[in-house]
Amino acid sequence: GESVGLHLPTLSVQEGDNSIINCAYSNSASDYFIWYKQESGKGPQFIIDIRSNMDKRQGQRVTVLLNKTVKHLSLQIAATQPGDSAVYFCAEPLGTSYDKVIFGPGTSLSVIP
Amino acid sequence: DSGVTQTPKHLITATGQRVTLRCSPRSGDLSVYWYQQSLDQGLQFLIQYYNGEERAKGNILERFSAQQFPDLHSELNLSSLELGDSALYFCASSASPNPGNEQFFGPGTRLTVL
Repeated sequence: GESVGLHLPTLSVQEGDNSIINCAYSNSASDYFIWYKQESGKGPQFIIDIRSNMDKRQGQRVTVLLNKTVKHLSLQIAATQPGDSAVYFCAEPLGTSYDKVIFGPGTSLSVIP
Repeated sequence: DSGVTQTPKHLITATGQRVTLRCSPRSGDLSVYWYQQSLDQGLQFLIQYYNGEERAKGNILERFSAQQFPDLHSELNLSSLELGDSALYFCASSASPNPGNEQFFGPGTRLTVL
């Protein structure tokens, strides 16, 4: 079914440490995932995406890992900064033409200076 | 700044009333999406328009409707408002009909129903 969920609702990380935000999905046929960042008072913002033909994708200070065997993906943020404090959503476009996007409940990341 | 604008920023109204939320997409984007974000339901896709036509429908109530005008701006109409409709309403836009990674979100309209 359509289900994208997160393991933890909140995460606190010391500035400079690496952050790992996890997400589980239920549909083994899912083939495309997106991570969004939502800062307080703003709309979600695209961070990085990954397709099912990849296990790993790297961006600037972020890495997404996809484990299709256990239907799990994670977002890793290197050298976490105060500006990384936000709610992070994993999202899955669905439908034959990715007509709609299903968002997970979100993980709130707090960076401790 | 995503280039997507939404008005008003805040809206306070009473149960039973009707409101209209407005969205202007990024210049050149033909698709507009509406989302509702509440504490208990998270971010929920409501509806998508592409170049004036409804393209996809999500969890949109019958009391809600939307349209996209020839100049590509969109309006979300919420009627017979209930307390549970209090939420943040986001509009997003993209150039293509598929949301994927091209979706740009506006700052949202915070609706409070008293």
